[in-house]
Amino acid sequence: SQTIHQWPATLVQPVGSPLSLECTVEGTSNPNLYWYRQAAGRGLQLLFYSVGIGQISSEVPQNLSASRPQDRQFILSSKKLLLSDSGFYLCAWTQGGANEKLFFGSGTQLSVL
Amino acid sequence: DAKTTQPNSMESNEEEPVHLPCNHSTISGTDYIHWYRQLPSQGPEYVIHGLTSNVNNRMASLAIAEDRKSSTLILHRATLRDAAVYYCILRPYNNAGNMLTFGGGTRLMVKP
Repeated sequence: SQTIHQWPATLVQPVGSPLSLECTVEGTSNPNLYWYRQAAGRGLQLLFYSVGIGQISSEVPQNLSASRPQDRQFILSSKKLLLSDSGFYLCAWTQGGANEKLFFGSGTQLSVL
Repeated sequence: DAKTTQPNSMESNEEEPVHLPCNHSTISGTDYIHWYRQLPSQGPEYVIHGLTSNVNNRMASLAIAEDRKSSTLILHRATLRDAAVYYCILRPYNNAGNMLTFGGGTRLMVKP
């Protein structure tokens, strides 16, 4: 069966520090991968998605970047965090068809102080 | 992108049915309608999806309007554990829906 791993669960970082969040998927190949951010009490904002290794699409100009070095690995990074980067970050995967379900990780609660 | 609109919040009493509406007036003929829900401090989880016909599973039922411009998620007997944010999204058949966007969803509150 397929599983998605996302870590860490919580993270407290000072302003200006770097960030690296990792997401891995098991039990499937060539998934579409997604990074979402959720501000407190708000909906999901799509940040990045990827349809294959090295292929990244960005939806929102921001202080963040994403990379996909392996088929089932998706990394969210920042060189210098801002206060506004605080939020709940979610990784998700799906196969490409419209009939396919979207599966989410358990999320990372990031607090930038 | 096909968009969806949902009420910001709804209330229900425990053990009563709940009907959560979603409008998607710009839906195309091959878009699938998906529903997800998010419990506090968790990632969203899949609930149900459909194309044209009504769908039932162990969690809920999905009623799709004949013109497909709206749908309704039905929880037959709400429990306190159903209190969550419910999201309705569209997934295009042609894989252009790689960009899967979510709206604000409906926050369902269940009263004991």
